[in-house]
This record gives sequence, C-alpha cells and structure tokens, in this order.
Amino acid sequence: GAVVSQHPSWVICKSGTSVKIECRSLDFQATTMFWYRQFPKQSLMLMATSNEGSKATYEQGVEKDKFLINHASLTLSTLTVTSAHPEDSSFYICSARSGGAQPQHFGDGTRLSIL
Amino acid sequence: RKEVEQDPGPFNVPEGATVAFNCTYSNSASQSFFWYRQDCRKEPKLLMSVYSSGNEDGRFTAQLNRASQYISLLIRDSKLSDSATYLCVVSSFNQAGTALIFGKGTTLSVSS
Repeated sequence: GAVVSQHPSWVICKSGTSVKIECRSLDFQATTMFWYRQFPKQSLMLMATSNEGSKATYEQGVEKDKFLINHASLTLSTLTVTSAHPEDSSFYICSARSGGAQPQHFGDGTRLSIL
Repeated sequence: RKEVEQDPGPFNVPEGATVAFNCTYSNSASQSFFWYRQDCRKEPKLLMSVYSSGNEDGRFTAQLNRASQYISLLIRDSKLSDSATYLCVVSSFNQAGTALIFGKGTTLSVSS
C-alpha cells in the first residue's frame, strides 16, 4: 500500500530554534500534500495544503511566515517551524495524495516539544 | 458552529458490547465521508468510507444521512483491540481544492 514517511518522529528543542519536518511519499507521486496539527485531546486541524511546484495555501489563522512549507518535488514536502516557542509544541502530521479523487495517506506524525 | 461535531465520550463498554457513534457536519456541499481510527500518539488510519446506502465491514457498519447531515458508526461485538479514538472525517472543498476536515474524535475504551 501507499506509504508516507515523516521525519523526525520526535523533536525536543529550545525556544527560538527553527525546526524542519520532512514528509515523503515513498511509492507514489504526491501532487498534493497536507499539513495538520493536533493539540492534546483536540482534532487534527488543517494548517495548509501544498501542491507540487506552487505556493502553499494556508488555512485561516495559520501564519505563513511562521510555518514555512516547501513542496519542491512530487515526493517531498517540508514544514519549517521558524523561531519555535512552547505554544508551538504539538503533534504535526502530514498526508499526501496522488490526485484529487485519490485517498490521503498519512505520515506517522512528528511530536514537537519546545522547552 | 464546528464543521464536524462528535460526542467526545469516553464510551466505556465491556467486551462483546455494541456501541454507536454519531457525527454531524455543517457543510451541505461536503462530498465524501469517512471514519478514521487514531490510537494514542499515532497517526489516524482509515477505518472505512461512508456511503448513503450504508456499508458494512465485518463488525463495523457506517451510515450516512445527507438530508440531516448525519453520519454514524456501529461497532458490534466489541474487542479490547477496538479501544481507540474514532474520528469522523468529511471531505470538503476549500480554496486549495479538497481537504479532509476532522472531528474531535470519540474515545472508546473496551474492557474485559
């Protein structure tokens, strides 16, 4: 089945550090990738949608200068949390699909803890 | 009003019990509907899609009522391994195309 790899799975950093999370589709070409964030006991919240080769579309309330998304190839998207602070601590999950009607496949998630 | 609403639970049931989860969605233009399962500190995994005609997968039955914008999941003969959070998910158009919108999840705990 389709596999999406997310790396790293766990990050602990000092406040002010920038953190990059990678999302790779291993056996299919992901024309669209999605980035979600999930706080404890909350639902997954869509942060942004990224189509290969174009700028990401951010959901309302998500700062694009804070959460930099790059989707430069059909198998890789990155999310960079710039100057992370403790309130950015969360579970970040990516998903990818190969076409508009195709199912989304989720990565394993990245647990980010900012001290 | 949230786009997808679920009773958060928790539902605590004994093994063998039948349990039903409900979900409502606000966007009448939503196109596709799913139930996902999420274990603690893990990514969500697709459990089943939901169709207007209703569909069944083993012990799991899903129903969709488009008129009332209501989705349900029935689990029969609960197993210990069914303990998880069940997420109601709706696919809707947004400015970037289509995206999955997640409910907050309903937690199920099955005990022996």
